[in-house]
Amino acid sequence: GAGVSQTPSNKVTEKGKYVELRCDPISGHTALYWYRQSLGQGPEFLIYFQGTGAADDSGLPNDRFFAVRPEGSVSTLKIQRTERGDSAVYLCASSLTPSGGSYNEQFFGPGTRLTVL
Amino acid sequence: GNSVTQMEGPVTLSEEAFLTINCTYTATGYPSLFWYVQYPGEGLQLLLKATKADDKGSNKGFEATYRKETTSFHLEKGSVQVSDSAVYFCALSGRGSYIPTFGRGTSLIVHP
Repeated sequence: GAGVSQTPSNKVTEKGKYVELRCDPISGHTALYWYRQSLGQGPEFLIYFQGTGAADDSGLPNDRFFAVRPEGSVSTLKIQRTERGDSAVYLCASSLTPSGGSYNEQFFGPGTRLTVL
Repeated sequence: GNSVTQMEGPVTLSEEAFLTINCTYTATGYPSLFWYVQYPGEGLQLLLKATKADDKGSNKGFEATYRKETTSFHLEKGSVQVSDSAVYFCALSGRGSYIPTFGRGTSLIVHP
């Protein structure tokens, strides 16, 4: 079946603009995660959805970042008033419902490379 | 807090050489440990995992043993192939947490 897909694959924008990044998880996966990966670094957690609700948004760096998942499937990460420091690869992952403190394997998309000029 | 330290890359090897990529961690309690791999142009994939001390995770010829006494989870492969060229990430997930903490990644380049 299809894996996690992310669009666009590349996004170039100007400082101060608004951007939306989209993630289509694997069908049937109730959990969805956003990460940010800066050059030479590992992925850094941003937000985790269980169904339609954000179960953990502690990784969002500030209030310019927001994410939604209105129907419990596709998710959109929204960044307002972009800054050059927001340039990174934004990764999305999905998994089955984690339960009982156990870890369910996360399946990652290829990422969206955001460049803020 | 939780953290993962990996050896810096790139690691450059000839085909059929032995591979070790070092990973050490800091965590409270008993985390689960993982190795992820990112091939060029692709998303991260879980390579192997271990959930308790002395467990050995293995997949595709790669192995890593959860060493609580040394807080390590070193990745090894006896004979690397060109197709193993990728970036490898060590990660941990604390008990009760669904969110892994990743290391910075180690690039592996295998020459024919």
